[in-house]
Amino acid sequence: QQKVQQSPESLIVPEGGMASLNCTSSDRNVDYFWWYRQHSGKSPKMLMSIFSNGEKEEGRFTVHLNKASLHTSLHIRDSQPSDSALYLCAAVRGSALGRLHFGAGTQLIVIP
Amino acid sequence: DPKIIQKPKYLVAVTGSEKILICEQYLGHNAMYWYRQSAKKPLEFMFSYSYQKLMDNQTASSRFQPQSSKKNHLDLQITALKPDDSATYFCASSQEGKETLYFGSGTRLTVL
Repeated sequence: QQKVQQSPESLIVPEGGMASLNCTSSDRNVDYFWWYRQHSGKSPKMLMSIFSNGEKEEGRFTVHLNKASLHTSLHIRDSQPSDSALYLCAAVRGSALGRLHFGAGTQLIVIP
Repeated sequence: DPKIIQKPKYLVAVTGSEKILICEQYLGHNAMYWYRQSAKKPLEFMFSYSYQKLMDNQTASSRFQPQSSKKNHLDLQITALKPDDSATYFCASSQEGKETLYFGSGTRLTVL
């Protein structure tokens, strides 16, 4: 069974600081990775996706992917209190589209 | 204005009873899914439907039966409820071929 491991489990950063979150899949057949954000009591919302090796930046958010090691990371610069949420990494095989395997998440707390 | 409507928002049931969770999406998507999230497990895939046909089923128990009466509906019937079924059940949808999933607000089920 595919496993998606996320670290750290929780992370506290000061407002304006950098948050770095990690995710690794155990499935060598994974094709795509997503990052979702889930605020407390709310539904997960897609933050960023990455499908090929390298880096992708959108505003304050940067995602890296190393397909050889099946590792992706999410970096949030200039963190804001509104970024406080559970960050979920998801991986999927191209042959099973829609069947996302989620990690347990990283709980990010940004302190004003 | 929510585009994926789940009803009810909260549900309390007794062990052994049966409940139906409702999901309707107004995004025009042709693929719909059920996911489950509990305190004990990460967000996990249950079912996927495409054009009202079951595509993938990760739920071992036949107590969970999805029902699709219309293209934009995917309800979930759960029979013989157990306390372990307590979780938040999220409905999601996507446009087939594009893998971003959009989640509804969830139904929080508590089985006593």
